[in-house]
Amino acid sequence: AQKVTQAQTEISVVEKEDVTLDCVYETRDTTYYLFWYKQPPSGELVFLIRRNSFDEQNEISGRYSWNFQKSTSSFNFTITASQVVDSAVYFCALSGFGSSNTGKLIFGQGTTLQVKP
Amino acid sequence: DGGITQSPKYLFRKEGQNVTLSCEQNLNHDAMYWYRQDPGQGLRLIYYSQIVNDFQKGDIAEGYSVSREKKESFPLTVTSAQKNPTAFYLCASSAHSGLAYGYTFGSGTRLTVV
Repeated sequence: AQKVTQAQTEISVVEKEDVTLDCVYETRDTTYYLFWYKQPPSGELVFLIRRNSFDEQNEISGRYSWNFQKSTSSFNFTITASQVVDSAVYFCALSGFGSSNTGKLIFGQGTTLQVKP
Repeated sequence: DGGITQSPKYLFRKEGQNVTLSCEQNLNHDAMYWYRQDPGQGLRLIYYSQIVNDFQKGDIAEGYSVSREKKESFPLTVTSAQKNPTAFYLCASSAHSGLAYGYTFGSGTRLTVV
């Protein structure tokens, strides 16, 4: 069975602090995709990153960075120098790969990040 | 601009009523999905469709029904059999039916039972 766990339900930081959102996943697939989405108060999910299981390179995009560790089944997300606009719910998600895959995403429970000025 | 349109944004339902949530996409995507979001539970898959005139149950299909008569449209009906329908509903589409690639989400419909 596939499962995604985001153990942090809520995180509160002060602006300019760095914050890491944890994501641990379970899957029996050897090939899979991992995702992070941001959900601002408006409700729409905003795509942040997709990583396939073959690519364990860490990625940095501006203030965002992602640490993928296959050995520990983790795909953590760090925001450097957080800003108030980063306040949102963040979801980690998992999807299988290949002809038997249906393309459905398995989501974690989400982490609510509050950045205070 | 290409995207997914969900309507209405807010919907109120009386006990025992069926209601239909609309989802339309102009992205020419093959696959479409309906997810339900409850506080603290993330998003859970209700139904999905990989091709016109075909759809499959997701993890929480009981009390819901769908149709896929056109590629662009994937409406969700919340029936009176759904015991706790108050939730936020998100529709999504994907460019490739077998991959979670190029996923696009709508802006959601918030359903409240009154």
